[in-house]
Amino acid sequence: AQSVTQPDIHITVSEGASLELRCNYSYGATPYLFWYVQSPGQGLQLLLKYFSGDTLVQGIKGFEAEFKRSQSSFNLRKPSVHWSDAAEYFCAVGELTGGGNKLTFGTGTQLKVEL
Amino acid sequence: DTEVTQTPKHLVMGMTNKKSLKCEQHMGHRAMYWYKQKAKKPPELMFVYSYEKLSINESVPSRFSPECPNSSLLNLHLHALQPEDSALYLCASSQLAGGVKTQYFGPGTRLLVL
Repeated sequence: AQSVTQPDIHITVSEGASLELRCNYSYGATPYLFWYVQSPGQGLQLLLKYFSGDTLVQGIKGFEAEFKRSQSSFNLRKPSVHWSDAAEYFCAVGELTGGGNKLTFGTGTQLKVEL
Repeated sequence: DTEVTQTPKHLVMGMTNKKSLKCEQHMGHRAMYWYKQKAKKPPELMFVYSYEKLSINESVPSRFSPECPNSSLLNLHLHALQPEDSALYLCASSQLAGGVKTQYFGPGTRLLVL
């Protein structure tokens, strides 16, 4: 079975500082990887995804992620964090089962931004 | 347009009540999903509908009854819920054919069971 690990439960960064959120996956074949963001009490918004091709993926809000097969990682980065980036971030891996698409989420990383 | 709408935004119900959650999308997606999310936890898949037919039920108690009346609508009927069912209920939709597809989420319904 697929699994996703987000090692950092909480991360605090200063506004304007760079950010890296870690994500490691366990999957035998080429994974379908996603990063979602969730503001308090809200739904999940897709930041970016990796299915194949270029291993550096650009997303919305200035985020990017790099797929590294050798490290089984798909870390999310942003060069300069804004206070509005404070939220919960979920990494997820998708798979196609007999019944349809399934997403397996990591446990999430709570990002706090200090002004 | 990647919008999934959910109503109501908030719902408070007693353990003997019957209520329904509604989800709607107009992106032409043929897969729709219900997730349950407890505080500080990731979403957990409950049900998947593919081409308006229930294709995945993740061993959800029968007090939760999904329904997909057409390709744009997804309902979740609630009956005799327990306080531990209080959570954020998220709906999502995706395309279906041709492998893994991106799921687009609605804003959720915050449910409180008293």
